[in-house]
Amino acid sequence: NAGVTQTPKFQVLKTGQSMTLQCAQDMNHEYMSWYRQDPGMGLRLIHYSVGAGITDQGEVPNGYNVSRSTTEDFPLRLLSAAPSQTSVYFCASSYSASGSTDTQYFGPGTRLTVL
Amino acid sequence: AQSVTQPDIHITVSEGASLELRCNYSYGATPYLFWYVQSPGQGLQLLLKYFSGDTLVQGIKGFEAEFKRSQSSFNLRKPSVHWSDAAEYFCAVGSYGNQFYFGTGTSLTVIP
Repeated sequence: NAGVTQTPKFQVLKTGQSMTLQCAQDMNHEYMSWYRQDPGMGLRLIHYSVGAGITDQGEVPNGYNVSRSTTEDFPLRLLSAAPSQTSVYFCASSYSASGSTDTQYFGPGTRLTVL
Repeated sequence: AQSVTQPDIHITVSEGASLELRCNYSYGATPYLFWYVQSPGQGLQLLLKYFSGDTLVQGIKGFEAEFKRSQSSFNLRKPSVHWSDAAEYFCAVGSYGNQFYFGTGTSLTVIP
């Protein structure tokens, strides 16, 4: 199993550009989530999904959209990038649909810089 | 609201010395508690977790943690630190509301 994969590893955007961060898992996990990691702030939950077609907001959802059309994929979209979105983004998944009470498996991260 | 506090931003220990990383949480019900480790440039890996039962939890790489409800704490310990333990450590709390909160992390440096 590849586990949780994320692409790209690095990305530089200009303010106002849009892009999609890709996340995929091959473990047939129900729960998937996106976090951003900023210095001194730990990881903060952006959006999560408890199954295909079901998504919900986390702690810091503004400026981000998600969808989940398949069990495997959970892309994160930035509609109009802002410098405040410069961060490292992690995708995670867990077997249980109640992912916040289960072990989460993390991808390697995407480092995003918005100029 | 749930929250997690890791009061130590950075800790330095000598190789072979014991280690304790502190974690305090705020949560109304019984929490689901986790410790994750992040090596430089990597994603996070689960060290251990507590849901219920025995308050002393064993994890991977020789780590253990003790849940103390009266102190709202879930401190991580290791009797003898190895150079490869140098990393960033995150305490986290989850709930059935599907919200998940990480602490701000403790960076561990191990000196020979």
